[in-house]
This record gives sequence, structure tokens and C-alpha cells, in this order.
Amino acid sequence: GAVVSQHPSWVICKSGTSVKIECRSLDFQATTMFWYRQFPKQSLMLMATSNEGSKATYEQGVEKDKFLINHASLTLSTLTVTSAHPEDSSFYICSARDERFTDTQYFGPGTRLTVL
Amino acid sequence: RKEVEQDPGPFNVPEGATVAFNCTYSNSASQSFFWYRQDCRKEPKLLMSVYSSGNEDGRFTAQLNRASQYISLLIRDSKLSDSATYLCVSHTGFQKLVFGTGTRLLVSP
Repeated sequence: GAVVSQHPSWVICKSGTSVKIECRSLDFQATTMFWYRQFPKQSLMLMATSNEGSKATYEQGVEKDKFLINHASLTLSTLTVTSAHPEDSSFYICSARDERFTDTQYFGPGTRLTVL
Repeated sequence: RKEVEQDPGPFNVPEGATVAFNCTYSNSASQSFFWYRQDCRKEPKLLMSVYSSGNEDGRFTAQLNRASQYISLLIRDSKLSDSATYLCVSHTGFQKLVFGTGTRLLVSP
């Protein structure tokens, strides 16, 4: 099956620093990738849709200047959490849409971010 | 009201039991539905798609009732390895998936 990787799998940083998370589709091309966030005991919440070659589409309430998304190639999207604060600590998961199967998304293993 | 609602559980069942989860959705425009399984601190993994005609995959059976906007998942002969959180998911078009909060299942020996 299709594989999506994320890097890093976990990161601990100081408040005020920026953290970049990479999402890669390993054996298929993905013009569309999605970034989710999941707080403990809560559901996955879609943050933004990452579109290759164009600007990301952010969900209501998600600050685009704080969560920078870049989708520079058909296999890579990055999420940068700028000036991270403790309330940004969460599980960030990406998914990539396999163009060959209209509504199939494959999830990355997630990145656990802890901001001290 | 949440777009996809689930009973958070936990459902505590013995091995071999049959357990059913329900899910309701509010967006009548939702096009397709899925059940995902999520283990602790892991990403969700697709368990099965849900069709109006119902579909079965081994011990798992999923049903969709569009009139009632209701989705179900039945697990027969529960195994210890079935312990996880089961996420009900709707696909609303524009490629977006909407996740329920999940139902936690604990299968005990």
C-alpha cells in the first residue's frame, strides 16, 4: 500500500522557536496533502489543505501566518510552526491523497510536538 | 453540534464478544464514509469503507443508513488486538475528511 512518511517523529523545543515538519509520499504523487492536529483525547482536526504549486487552504480559526505550509513538489509538503508556544504542543499528522483513488488518503505516522 | 458524533466509550468487552459502535453525521451532503482505527499515539489507519448496501470484511461489518444519517460498525469474535479507538469519518467532498472523536474499545482476556 501507499506509504507516507513524516519527519521528525517527535520534537521538543523551547517556546518561541520555529519547528518544521516534513510530510512525504514515498511511492505515489500527491498534488494534495492535508495537515491535521490532534490534542489528547480529541478528534483529528483538519488544519489546512496543502496544494502543490499554490497556496494552502486553511480551515477557519487556523492562523496561516503561524502555521506556514509549503508544497514545493508532488511528494513533499512541509508545515512550519512559527514562534511555537506550549499551547501548540500536539500530535500533528499529515495525509496525502493518492490521485489514483479519488477519495483515499494515506496518513503519515505523525509528529509529536512538545513546546516547553 | 459536531458534524460526526460518536459515543466515546470506553466499551469494555471480553474476548470473543460481539460489539457494535454507532455514529451519526449531520451533513446530508456527505458523500462517503469510513471507519478508521487508531492505536494510542499512532496515526489512524483505514479499517473499511462504508456503503449503503453494507459491507463485510472478515469479523467486521459496516452499515450506512442515509435516511437516518447513521453509520455502524460491528465486530464479531473480539480479539485482544482489536483494542483501539475506532474513528467514524465522513468525506464531504472537496477531499475533506471529517473525523468523529472516536470510540474506545478495550478487549480483555
